[in-house]
Formats: sequence, structure tokens, C-alpha cells
Amino acid sequence: EDQVTQSPEALRLQEGESSSLNCSYTVSGLRGLFWYRQDPGKGPEFLFTLYSAGEEKEKERLKATLTKKESFLHITAPKPEDSATYLCAVQAPGANNLFFGTGTRLTVIP
Amino acid sequence: EPEVTQTPSHQVTQMGQEVILRCVPISNHLYFYWYRQILGQKVEFLVSFYNNEISEKSEIFDDQFSVERPDGSNFTLKIRSTKLEDSAMYFCASSEHTEAFFGQGTRLTVV
Repeated sequence: EDQVTQSPEALRLQEGESSSLNCSYTVSGLRGLFWYRQDPGKGPEFLFTLYSAGEEKEKERLKATLTKKESFLHITAPKPEDSATYLCAVQAPGANNLFFGTGTRLTVIP
Repeated sequence: EPEVTQTPSHQVTQMGQEVILRCVPISNHLYFYWYRQILGQKVEFLVSFYNNEISEKSEIFDDQFSVERPDGSNFTLKIRSTKLEDSAMYFCASSEHTEAFFGQGTRLTVV
């Protein structure tokens, strides 16, 4: 059965304090791994897709990396506006639907 | 920037009533989805729709649920007889290929 585990559940950072969020996955033949940002009461906002181990993608203060078992979302010098829940999702071969983890709730304190 | 639009943003309904949630996907997208998120829980897949038919569905998507693309722009989710446990945020999403873009959701409250 496909599984996605995100850690930590919650993370509080001071503004400027870099850190990483983890997404461990178990899926038979990963088709893609996705990162989304979700603000309270809103829909998930697409950030990145990673397709193969060793791949990296960057957007502003965020960088996503992928290995055969896990993905990391690195946040460099975060700002308060980066506060949100970050969701990881996997896509299995032959499927278009996403299987989500429970997310990491990030709070960045000014 | 193109976006997925959902209406209404919030709906309150009595248990046993039928509800229809509406979505306008991004215009050139071919795949459409419904997901739900019960308060405090993870986002769960319900159903995907491609080429005017259901392509995948989860165990949650039972006979009480149906989807329809009544015209060239709208995509709807119908719940025939709502239950208290159907209370959740319902998200519509669409994709051209693999990357799905989500709407802002409809908060459904069943009382």
C-alpha cells in the first residue's frame, strides 16, 4: 500500500533560520513526487514536481530534492510569509491521482 | 493567471439532502479531479475524470457520489443524500498532464 509520511508535524523557525522538511514515501514505481503549499482554509498551491532520484528544483527560498526513499524541502532564510502547511504527495504508475501526506505546519516568527 | 474556480465557497445542508458542488477547471486542461479534506486530516482523492468518463475512483467515492461535465466548462460533484461525515472541504483540481492545480475549495457542512 502506498504510504507518505511527513516530518516533523509542526516546525517553528525564527525568521532567517534555515531548515528542512522531510517526506518519506513507499510506492511501487514512483511516477512523480509533488510538493504543495496550503494556507488555512485554502486549496493546495502547486510548488514542485520531482520525477527521478537526484533531481532538484528551486523556487525563491525553497529547494526540493528527491532520493529513492524520500524528498526534502529545504527552506533558506525563511520569512513570515512562508508560514503555511507544506504537503507532499506521490503519484503511482498508471495513475493520475495524488496520494497526500498529512503535511508539515511551518510557522516563521519575525 | 488561469485558475480553478469553485462555487459555492461554503454550503450548509441538512442531513439527507442532495448537494451539487461546482467547478470550472482551467480551460486547456484535460484531467479533472475531486479531493476532500476533513478538518485536521489529509487531502484525500475521490475521483478523476478524463474524456467524459471516470478514469479512477477511491473507496470513498461510493454510490452516493457522482460527477458530471454538463457542458464545456463546468465539472460538478453531486452527493445524493448527505451524511454528517460528509462535512469537509471539497477541492476540485485540473491538470494538463501530471501537475494538478487546485481550486480554493467548497466547505460543506452537514447538519
